[in-house]
Amino acid sequence: DSGVTQTPKHLITATGQRVTLRCSPRSGDLSVYWYQQSLDQGLQFLIQYYNGEERAKGNILERFSAQQFPDLHSELNLSSLELGDSALYFCASSVDLAGHYEQYFGPGTRLTVT
Amino acid sequence: QQQVKQSPQSLIVQKGGISIINCAYENTAFDYFPWYQQFPGKGPALLIAIRPDVSEKKEGRFTISFNKSAKQFSLHIMDSQPGDSATYFCAASMRSGAGSYQLTFGKGTKLSVIP
Repeated sequence: DSGVTQTPKHLITATGQRVTLRCSPRSGDLSVYWYQQSLDQGLQFLIQYYNGEERAKGNILERFSAQQFPDLHSELNLSSLELGDSALYFCASSVDLAGHYEQYFGPGTRLTVT
Repeated sequence: QQQVKQSPQSLIVQKGGISIINCAYENTAFDYFPWYQQFPGKGPALLIAIRPDVSEKKEGRFTISFNKSAKQFSLHIMDSQPGDSATYFCAASMRSGAGSYQLTFGKGTKLSVIP
């Protein structure tokens, strides 16, 4: 158990809908990273938040957004969903201090868009 | 520049054998190279990691070998066991802005250890 929690575990929704995925980082970790895992693209970095502020963006679509709250939990919002958005979504957390930036992954949310 | 190339895509090893997975990178700014292990239905779990100032790191049956000049690193699993059957990802990270260490992952290697 990495100490990172994600809810829900599974999500089935229809095209065009909007969903919110939630992540709670390990105690003491300031950074939350979001990743998308699909069979063809592998693990792709989406976005990072550090202590409430957006710090880095990867291959995140404009239909997707995220935020990190004062208690450091994070939410990933996916809107106008398409079939191709079906994937596993992982969050990871890290302390992100010099020399200590190992990322620990949560169990993931499996999103199925029908 | 941001790619990490991983091979092989799949690997079958007999119990007790040595599993070897290779990765190569281009960007010399990468300064942290972790390996992750992922079982079906689970998130990737950090297995072992190395920084470029050392050429080898060993933790139990798992060893990372790092060749900075060739920009390659590899994972060796000694005495492979059926319980090691999983997908292994290499990754590379570099600092990109304050408090930001993005991971770039290889495509993964599905390891099957047969009795």
